[in-house]
Amino acid sequence: DIVMTQSPDSLAVSLGERATINCKSSQSVIDSSTNKKCLAWYQQKTGQPPKLLIFSASSRESGVPDRFSGSGSGTDFTLTISSLQAEDVAVYYCHQYYSGQWTFGQGTKVEIK
Amino acid sequence: QAQLVQSGAEMKEPGASVKLSCKASGYTFSDYNIHWVRQAPGQSLEWMGRITAGSGNTRYSQNFQDRVTFTRDTSATTVYMEVISLRSEDTAVYYCARLQTPLILAAAFDIWGQGTMVTVSS
Repeated sequence: DIVMTQSPDSLAVSLGERATINCKSSQSVIDSSTNKKCLAWYQQKTGQPPKLLIFSASSRESGVPDRFSGSGSGTDFTLTISSLQAEDVAVYYCHQYYSGQWTFGQGTKVEIK
Repeated sequence: QAQLVQSGAEMKEPGASVKLSCKASGYTFSDYNIHWVRQAPGQSLEWMGRITAGSGNTRYSQNFQDRVTFTRDTSATTVYMEVISLRSEDTAVYYCARLQTPLILAAAFDIWGQGTMVTVSS
């Protein structure tokens, strides 16, 4: 299975400041036949199901604020919240859908400093 | 709008079985794959497998393939997951989730059910 490792496990950021979450896959998650990056980011608030933020590593889901952005390629990916808002307090997960056995990162908890 | 509505919480004893449902509405049921993901208390998300709603074709995580069965009822636009031989470690919230793109096998999950809590305890 492809192992997804996120860093850090948690971070505290001041309101209006930038938050950066990293995700590293144990092997490439790029579909060479389509050049598609099979990597998504989700936000999960307490007691709720995950919500899709980013797919194909850098495409923002409809309705997601533009302060959320994704980047990366190969095995290293990043989710950036450009200006943290109070409603962004949540756990964030990366997810690879490249291999037949899909896997998630362990999660990164984002709090307000 | 598209949504997935799951069945209610379950409490089971070790060794028992449970069958959960996930009813789809607001979109063409047979065009999208439905996946199951579970989350133990305080833990990350764990992919369990998927069913192609149109054909009924299934793929299971290696971690669950001996104990989990996915089925679907196209007339009821509902997908089911049965887990047998439950143990305490199966205590978790179980989610169904839909792929964001129709008629393909690999994509992100854009629609999630609200989750079903399954508690396994004697």
